[in-house]
Amino acid sequence: KAGVTQTPRYLIKTRGQQVTLSCSPISGHRSVSWYQQTPGQGLQFLFEYFSETQRNKGNFPGRFSGRQFSNSRSEMNVSTLELGDSALYLCASSSNNEQFFGPGTRLTVL
Amino acid sequence: AQSVTQLDSHVSVSEGTPVLLRCNYSSSYSPSLFWYVQHPNKGLQLLLKYTSAATLVKGINGFEAEFKKSETSFHLTKPSAHMSDAAEYFCGASNTGGFKTIFGAGTRLFVKA
Repeated sequence: KAGVTQTPRYLIKTRGQQVTLSCSPISGHRSVSWYQQTPGQGLQFLFEYFSETQRNKGNFPGRFSGRQFSNSRSEMNVSTLELGDSALYLCASSSNNEQFFGPGTRLTVL
Repeated sequence: AQSVTQLDSHVSVSEGTPVLLRCNYSSSYSPSLFWYVQHPNKGLQLLLKYTSAATLVKGINGFEAEFKKSETSFHLTKPSAHMSDAAEYFCGASNTGGFKTIFGAGTRLFVKA
């Protein structure tokens, strides 16, 4: 089976812009979770989608949003980017109490 | 509230010696517990998981972890370190009701030749 894929792998944006990241889960997996990883805050849970519905949400501002499509692919969007949003964004595809992580999207906000 | 504490930010061992990475958790319920490894510029790879079955869990690459409810610990061990084990390790916990994993701050493992 193909693993979790995330696109793009690298992004450079400027403050105030918005960005959309994409995640394609492992075939058959219906749950997709998103995490933000920074040197200062570590790995933080953003949200989880299951069958196109948000099932869990972390403590991030409303500028961070996501959605899931009928084929389980997921996107997350960050609006009005801030310097502090620079991070590695990881997507995880889940089944049978296991999460499989993608390689991440490295977002740099200038 | 759920929390995970990794007691060491850095651990340094010599190749061929045992590895011990410590993790404590706090949870209102019996959580599922995980250890992941992250190599530079890579995503997280699952090493092992505990989900209320056997308290001693064996994972990949010779790693294992023991769930101790009385100590709220889930320490990761390996009898003999290899150079390729050098990486960052994350302990995580999640409750039922979806895949929301709370991670510790990570432990960087250095392996000396």
